[in-house]
Formats: sequence, C-alpha cells, structure tokens
Amino acid sequence: GAGVSQSPRYKVAKRGQDVALRCDPISGHVSLFWYQQALGQGPEFLTYFQNEAQLDKSGLPSDRFFAERPEGSVSTLKIQRTQQEDSAVYLCASSSPGGGLGTEAFFGQGTRLTVV
Amino acid sequence: LAKTTQPISMDSYEGQEVNITCSHNNIATNDYITWYQQFPSQGPRFIIQGYKTKVTNEVASLFIPADRKSSTLSLPRVSLSDTAVYYCLVMDSNYQLIWGAGTKLIIKP
Repeated sequence: GAGVSQSPRYKVAKRGQDVALRCDPISGHVSLFWYQQALGQGPEFLTYFQNEAQLDKSGLPSDRFFAERPEGSVSTLKIQRTQQEDSAVYLCASSSPGGGLGTEAFFGQGTRLTVV
Repeated sequence: LAKTTQPISMDSYEGQEVNITCSHNNIATNDYITWYQQFPSQGPRFIIQGYKTKVTNEVASLFIPADRKSSTLSLPRVSLSDTAVYYCLVMDSNYQLIWGAGTKLIIKP
C-alpha cells in the first residue's frame, strides 16, 4: 500500500474490556514495530517482528499485551482486560527489507486508545 | 543503546533558519543519527539520517562533527507548518530505538 495503515484510529474501551489494534505495513516491508506513546512523550518501544517472527517483546508492559504477525504482513496488538494506564496512542512502523543500518521506518497515524 | 539529549522546546519566526542540536555522547561506531518530525495526531515522519560530516536533502541539513557526539538539524527558512516535535535518535545495527521527549519547535508569524 501507499503507507502504513492502522485501524481503528480511535478506540474507547471500558476498563476490563479486551481490544485489538490492527496494523497494515507497507507491502514487502520485513520489519514491523509497535510503540506506545503517552501524551507529551516520545514513543516507547513495545515489540518487533521480522517477517512473522517476534524477535523482541521486551517492551510489552505486562502479560495482558500480546502481538502477532502470523503471515508476516498484517499485525495485531491485543490488550486484554484494559486498564486506565493503557490509555495512549499505539503506533505501528515498518521498514524496508533488511531493516538494518540506515533504514528509514515509516509510521502509521496511530490508534488512540482511551480506557474509561 | 545510545541515549540522546535535546532541548525541550524552541521558538523561532517564519523565514528564519532553525538549528536544533542533539547530544549523543555514547554513540557507537556503527550507529546512524536519525531525525523524525511529528505533528499532533500523526505518526512520526522521517526527516534525515546521517553518519558523519554533512547530509542535505530537500527539507533539511544534518551536521555531524568528527567526534559524532552531537548532531545539529538545520531547517532553512522555516514556515508556520514546521511547528512540530522533532526527535533525534541513534539507530544501530539492532532495531530498538530510544526516543526522548523531543524538541517542541514553535514557529511564530
């Protein structure tokens, strides 16, 4: 596609509800990243995929957070039993094949999650 | 992972050149320096990337001294639409980036 697409753009969840956030990366991009961005802060790394393999999930804040990319393209970030502290913008980024040195990451517009 | 330090905010006026300096004292040999721009309610957008000396593209220049412990993003003749948050990052051979709070740049008419 033309860019990284995330859906939904906005999500309001009641505390305790499960949510699923979707990311469609740029076609052919090997690397996919999820970030969490709180208001007024820079993005914080959550997890990283290379194709379908989740190579790093060290940034996931708790076991309520789960990400997958089963076919190496679309990715889903799932948050179970949402809490108010989960309210943030969730950003997805992808980068070109290789994803190594000198690689530009392209970001989606993000999903703004509000837990009430 | 190299940590970056940059000013929290800056003001300037339309038509001026704006320079934002970032320090990255523990940058490693293989690390690249990358700058992103972020508008409200948007994802970050790549601006420029460099390894040493000077890099220029259609929107900005990046100056990196020989010791590579700092870098300066230069935006020529800014306009109101350049009001945004600018992030300096060091990107290494791994994938994980550490983002600071960035520099909030406000351009005044």
